[in-house]
Amino acid sequence: DVKVTQSSRYLVKRTGEKVFLECVQDMDHENMFWYRQDPGLGLRLIYFSYDVKMKEKGDIPEGYSVSREKKERFSLILESASTNQTSMYLCASSLGTAGQETQYFGPGTRLLVL
Amino acid sequence: AQSVTQHNHHVILSEAASLELGCNYSYGGTVNLFWYVQYPGQHLQLLLKYFSGDPLVKGIKGFEAEFIKSKFSFNLRKPSVQWSDTAEYFCAVTAYYGNNRLAFGKGNQVVVIP
Repeated sequence: DVKVTQSSRYLVKRTGEKVFLECVQDMDHENMFWYRQDPGLGLRLIYFSYDVKMKEKGDIPEGYSVSREKKERFSLILESASTNQTSMYLCASSLGTAGQETQYFGPGTRLLVL
Repeated sequence: AQSVTQHNHHVILSEAASLELGCNYSYGGTVNLFWYVQYPGQHLQLLLKYFSGDPLVKGIKGFEAEFIKSKFSFNLRKPSVQWSDTAEYFCAVTAYYGNNRLAFGKGNQVVVIP
């Protein structure tokens, strides 16, 4: 079974703090994704990566950055957390780049920014 | 860019009732279509997907979906729901010849009353 793990299930941070969300997959997948999930808005793509050190912006990249130094690990960084970044953050991975590929999701990190 | 519309965000029904969730997408080319499900407290997971062949696709737990190209639709159905089908359901699309960057709908929150 594919396993995607996220470093924290719950995080509470203060406005202006730098926040790191870590994601690790154990199936040698090429692609990794970060989404945020908000009630009534579904999942929105923040960033994705097709390879180590490669990254591409998703639909809502503002206020976020990412890092992929190793194939299995994809980090989401909030440089200066704001209250409107309070959300559930989901990481996903997929084996290849084809449009038919299934994405496998982690359990999510619920972030509260005070 | 692709977009996905899901109607009736909240659905409440009794056990043994039939369920149909509508999904319409906006994209001029050939697409891959997915339904993902998130059970309470669990990871988002694939329910079923379609990318070619028989437009009636069967997935896990008795779910099926029908791709109707002329209507740009990929509706999800289950003839008789159980309490354990309580979950949030997301329709998603990728371009057939593109990468696997998913565009998600806003989701349907389904509650099945025992």
